[in-house]
Amino acid sequence: GAVVSQHPSWVICKSGTSVKIECRSLDFQATTMFWYRQFPKQSLMLMATSNEGSKATYEQGVEKDKFLINHASLTLSTLTVTSAHPEDSSFYICSASAGLNQPQHFGDGTRLSIL
Amino acid sequence: QKEVEQNSGPLSVPEGAIASLNCTYSDRGSQSFFWYRQYSGKSPELIMFIYSNGDKEDGRFTAQLNKASQYVSLLIRDSQPSDSATYLCAVNPRGSSNTGKLIFGQGTTLQVKP
Repeated sequence: GAVVSQHPSWVICKSGTSVKIECRSLDFQATTMFWYRQFPKQSLMLMATSNEGSKATYEQGVEKDKFLINHASLTLSTLTVTSAHPEDSSFYICSASAGLNQPQHFGDGTRLSIL
Repeated sequence: QKEVEQNSGPLSVPEGAIASLNCTYSDRGSQSFFWYRQYSGKSPELIMFIYSNGDKEDGRFTAQLNKASQYVSLLIRDSQPSDSATYLCAVNPRGSSNTGKLIFGQGTTLQVKP
């Protein structure tokens, strides 16, 4: 149980393109979903927390107009990287939690490369 | 002081030995504690979680929590080369009880040598 699906697995696109990443909880209802970014050999960096039907809460330093998060249902959240540039290239990972104090379950991640 | 601290390692153990991974946290009101395993280039995978003081065992893994010492550990018995990965300690601090947000340590790299 507790499967989180994330798509796409990898994206290569040109600078200026907007990229949408989907995160779905397949076998449980996720009251909260989280979006992380990880650079090579570095720690997970939380970007934002989203609750179904509410605006996402962004961590300090994360541009909300750059990284658009939508959490339309209890099983789906999306992250859109708008007008992506090479410095946005990274490993983006979502996680989902069924409730307070419950574990976060991670998707497989999306490797984004902006040329 | 970092909120969640781990020795980055690498921790090297021979195959079949017990690997002991340690983590300390600063928020005494923290309620939930998690261990994740992350292979290079992959996303984290939940190994164990513990809420109460004491030991919790699951197969070759044992999580130990001591809230008085603000210390949580993960023991891996009969270590296998496939256990070689980075182990992340994560804590749900008191202030995040209404969001589920976790604070992650930097991770400890474990190397199990055949």
